Amino acid sequence: DGGITQSPKYLFRKEGQNVTLSCEQNLNHDAMYWYRQDPGQGLRLIYYSQIVNDFQKGDIAEGYSVSREKKESFPLTVTSAQKNPTAFYLCASTGTSGNTIYFGEGSWLTVV
Amino acid sequence: QKEVEQDPGPLSVPEGAIVSLNCTYSNSAFQYFMWYRQYSRKGPELLMYTYSSGNKEDGRFTAQVDKSSKYISLFIRDSQPSDSATYLCAMSDSPAPAGNNRKLIWGLGTSLAVNP
Repeated sequence: DGGITQSPKYLFRKEGQNVTLSCEQNLNHDAMYWYRQDPGQGLRLIYYSQIVNDFQKGDIAEGYSVSREKKESFPLTVTSAQKNPTAFYLCASTGTSGNTIYFGEGSWLTVV
Repeated sequence: QKEVEQDPGPLSVPEGAIVSLNCTYSNSAFQYFMWYRQYSRKGPELLMYTYSSGNKEDGRFTAQVDKSSKYISLFIRDSQPSDSATYLCAMSDSPAPAGNNRKLIWGLGTSLAVNP
């Protein structure tokens, strides 16, 4: 089945550690995105990539980094510089028409 | 003022009720409107996509856009317990949500509970 796979679903890390969230899609979509969802704040765009080897900062990129070495993959690293990393992270993608955005199941990150 | 306003609820209705979910917006350039459903601890899934004004129906769901009032609605007929979820509205002035200059603006979501 085509879709977006995020892993791990739940992740616990100690403060000060970097952590990488995986996102893989087999929809043959060009554009991929990372959002963060917090209660009462809705969806906020962290990074997006419209094509391989290119990515742009979203609204809240500080403390995060990404790479786009393959069309199918768009991993997100939450660095120790991110002040409030505990959140629900969503990876998404759109096809060439860009009319609709499809989401993965999300990854819950808890930093203690 | 936020670009998109959505009452977070929670909204609680009995099974079989007609549900009305709404968003208002301030940017008159928005032309593409979407409703997403998000179950607890899951990613959002697209329910309805509409362009410009008018109505669109899909089964028990009807999406309505009133650009003159800058108001969009999602109606759910014969609501079921399986409709219990958070409903997010999203909108854009461009068909492609990529990029900061063409990004998708999200409402905060309305939490709906349909009680059997």
